[in-house]
Amino acid sequence: GENVEQHPSTLSVQEGDSAVIKCTYSDSASNYFPWYKQELGKGPQLIIDIRSNVGEKKDQRIAVTLNKTAKHFSLHITETQPEDSAVYFCAGQVDPRDDKIIFGKGTRLHILP
Amino acid sequence: GAGVSQSPSNKVTEKGKDVELRCDPISGHTALYWYRQSLGQGLEFLIYFQGNSAPDKSGLPSDRFSAERTGGSVSTLTIQRTQQEDSAVYLCASSPSRNGYTFGSGTRLTVV
Repeated sequence: GENVEQHPSTLSVQEGDSAVIKCTYSDSASNYFPWYKQELGKGPQLIIDIRSNVGEKKDQRIAVTLNKTAKHFSLHITETQPEDSAVYFCAGQVDPRDDKIIFGKGTRLHILP
Repeated sequence: GAGVSQSPSNKVTEKGKDVELRCDPISGHTALYWYRQSLGQGLEFLIYFQGNSAPDKSGLPSDRFSAERTGGSVSTLTIQRTQQEDSAVYLCASSPSRNGYTFGSGTRLTVV
């Protein structure tokens, strides 16, 4: 089955700098890759997603890139702010016929003042 | 409701007792999922309901775990004879179809 690996597990960046989180997946048939942000005491919240027919998607300070050949995708956060501190999860869709997705183990992002 | 609602938000139970966790999905969402999140860990898939299809139970860790979804809406996750290793946050999510999930805030289960 699908396996999603996520790195790093912890990331600290200075406020205003950029943060990059990287993920790889194993199933070449996967075609949907969402990213979730989880703040303390809350459930994960979808922040951006990308489908395999595009290589990049951007939403304000957040962007995601996808390399299907290498089977990896990345989250980029620019001009980081204190409220970006959270745990971020990448995920991949296992079966294009349904919505079940498999999550990476998460990256704890700390924005340093 | 406006979002996915889970209850209780916190549950402390004694080892060996049964517990029931409830999830109210967003109205009209056909798909419902349960995940488990252990302290500092990722999201472990448990079970998936899609419309009237048979649920995908491939993630349930043992036969002590079961779930049902009544009337295509509310779902209950039941853990029988709880063990300390069952302590975790249990997250429910729903989805209209082929879109990202909306998660609830979870139920934090502590087995003492």
